[in-house]
Amino acid sequence: QVQLVESGGGVVQPGRSLRLSCAASGFTFSEYGMHWVRQAPGKGLDWVAVIWSDGNNQYYGDAVKGRFTISRDNSENMVYLQMNSLRDEDTGVYYCARDWGAAGTNMDYWGQGTLVTVSS
Amino acid sequence: DIQMTQSPSTLSASVGDRVTITCRASQSINNWLAWYQQRPGKAPKLLMYRASTLEGGVSLRFSGSGSGTEFTLTISSLQPDDFATYYCQQYHAYPRTFGQGTKVEIK
Repeated sequence: QVQLVESGGGVVQPGRSLRLSCAASGFTFSEYGMHWVRQAPGKGLDWVAVIWSDGNNQYYGDAVKGRFTISRDNSENMVYLQMNSLRDEDTGVYYCARDWGAAGTNMDYWGQGTLVTVSS
Repeated sequence: DIQMTQSPSTLSASVGDRVTITCRASQSINNWLAWYQQRPGKAPKLLMYRASTLEGGVSLRFSGSGSGTEFTLTISSLQPDDFATYYCQQYHAYPRTFGQGTKVEIK
């Protein structure tokens, strides 16, 4: 069965960095795009980034472009989100999600999320 | 960026009611639209993709329609498990964008 497990969340000061990880299992990882989606406390879903199955294309939401970097390791079935220059408004639960296909469409499986709190 | 606007933001309904949620895109997205359900404290769940294709395992109570800029999600007979927040998402263009959500509450 498809499983996505996020890790790496925690409390971090504004301006600092954090790297999230997502371990995937139960499917052929190298055939699927992968997304990060976040949700601020009490708010709606905010799309963060996608990386295509081969890792050659990445796209970002406007709020994180230039600060966050998505990457993947198809040999380890892992996807990462490097978050730099963190701001208070980056606080929220970060979900890793599998793309329905290879190239960034909708998301058919989601992890349980990891909480990131940006606070001084 | 393509803006997605859902209405209503909150909907109060009873078990057995038929409910409809609308999602409007700021420009045409053909039928590149997905719907998700999120229960409190849980991850979202894919219900529908390509506007009207039901994801495997999802109840036939759910149906979707629309193309271009206007879309609807209908629940034919509301069940207790259906009280949740629903989101639309476009995948016609980057960045992908979600609607603000529609919370379906018990009347």
